[in-house]
Amino acid sequence: SQQGEEDPQALSIQEGENATMNCSYKTSINNLQWYRQNSGRGLVHLILIRSNEREKHSGRLRVTLDTSKKSSSLLITASRAADTASYFCATRFGGGTSYGKLTFGQGTILTVHP
Amino acid sequence: EAQVTQNPRYLITVTGKKLTVTCSQNMNHEYMSWYRQDPGLGLRQIYYSMNVEVTDKGDVPEGYKVSRKEKRNFPLILESPSPNQTSLYFCASSLSGGLYGYTFGSGTRLTVV
Repeated sequence: SQQGEEDPQALSIQEGENATMNCSYKTSINNLQWYRQNSGRGLVHLILIRSNEREKHSGRLRVTLDTSKKSSSLLITASRAADTASYFCATRFGGGTSYGKLTFGQGTILTVHP
Repeated sequence: EAQVTQNPRYLITVTGKKLTVTCSQNMNHEYMSWYRQDPGLGLRQIYYSMNVEVTDKGDVPEGYKVSRKEKRNFPLILESPSPNQTSLYFCASSLSGGLYGYTFGSGTRLTVV
């Protein structure tokens, strides 16, 4: 079953605008990660936020985590056409039989128009 | 360059003909994993390995085998491929599964006819 669910499923914006994607999950997590995938290519790790962190930045990326609401958001500021891709959140459970397993959501397809 | 290398990139095969998709990483990562990606179903884990000679099933292991004889290699074996195994496959590695980001290979697009 999918642990993370992204919202919206698709997002279309103009270059220069900000893009916000959300991820909700169901159970307690150890960390939450965001990945980007260009069409048909391998996923690229963007950022990891641990359960005891609330916000993290990396360049034009800003990730927030609200464990009380079991949700996270990814903000891409000043978007570029090259940001066009699918974005996935992935969650890692605390351990046990799911040790090491990342569970991916269905992804948000972001299209940035020049 | 740190990377995960999968081969082949594309493969068309016939039902029942055994095949192996290779995966190799040059980062000395302990953890390796195979995923398949299907439209509407997202990424699903097939098998994973926490270290040499340690492997375990993921969510969709039926019809697949893996081995981890060396740290760097984690091949995916389809002993008798069927059309429902047509998919995009990704190998990934990590320092320690899930605690760090994964590095993904470029993918293998498999078609079974």
